[in-house]
Amino acid sequence: KQEVTQIPAALSVPEGENLVLNCSFTDSAIYNLQWFRQDPGKGLTSLLLIQSSQREQTSGRLNASLDKSSGRSTLYIAASQPGDSATYLCARWDTNAGKSTFGDGTTLTVKP
Amino acid sequence: EAQVTQNPRYLITVTGKKLTVTCSQNMNHEYMSWYRQDPGLGLRQIYYSMNVEVTDKGDVPEGYKVSRKEKRNFPLILESPSPNQTSLYFCASSLRPGQGYGYTFGSGTRLTVV
Repeated sequence: KQEVTQIPAALSVPEGENLVLNCSFTDSAIYNLQWFRQDPGKGLTSLLLIQSSQREQTSGRLNASLDKSSGRSTLYIAASQPGDSATYLCARWDTNAGKSTFGDGTTLTVKP
Repeated sequence: EAQVTQNPRYLITVTGKKLTVTCSQNMNHEYMSWYRQDPGLGLRQIYYSMNVEVTDKGDVPEGYKVSRKEKRNFPLILESPSPNQTSLYFCASSLRPGQGYGYTFGSGTRLTVV
C-alpha cells in the first residue's frame, strides 16, 4: 500500500515568516502530486499540482517541488499571513492517475 | 460556476436504512472519486471512476457501491449503513487526471449513522 507522510503534524509561526511543509511518499511511480488546503469544517481547495515529469510549480507566494528519486515534495510558503492558517494536505495519484493516497496533513497556524 | 456539488450536506440516518449521497459536476470531467475523512485516519479513497461505466475500488470500498451511468453524476450508495460509516465524505473530479489537470473537491457530506 502506498504511504504518504507529512511532517510536522502541526506548525506555528509568526506572521511574515517563510516556511516549508514536507511530504514524503513510498514508491516513486507516481503520476501526479497535488497540494491542498483545508479550512476547519470545509472542503479541500486545490493549491498546486505537479506532474511526475515536472520538478516544481509556483503560484503567488506558494512554491511546490517534487523529487521523485527521494520520494519527497515540499510546499514553500513565503511571507506567511494569518489567512494562511489551515491544514495543508498532499496527495499522490498512481500511474493510472485514478488511485490516490493522502497524507494526514500539516496544521499551520500563523500568528499576527 | 464550475463546481462539484454534493447532496445532502448533512445526514443523520439509522443503521440499515439504505441511502444515497449524490455528486454532480458541471465541468464535463472524465474522472470522479469518493473519499471519506476520519479523525486520525485522514482522507481515504472509497471508489473512483475514470469515465462513464468505468469504476474501480479505492482503499476502503467495503460497504459502499457506486455507479457512473452518465458523465456528470457519481452517486455513492450505502446499502445497509452501519455506525462505522459515520464520517465526512468528499466527492472529487478532474478533467483528465493523466494529463496534469487538477482535482476539484465538493464541500463534503457529513453522515451520522446511529
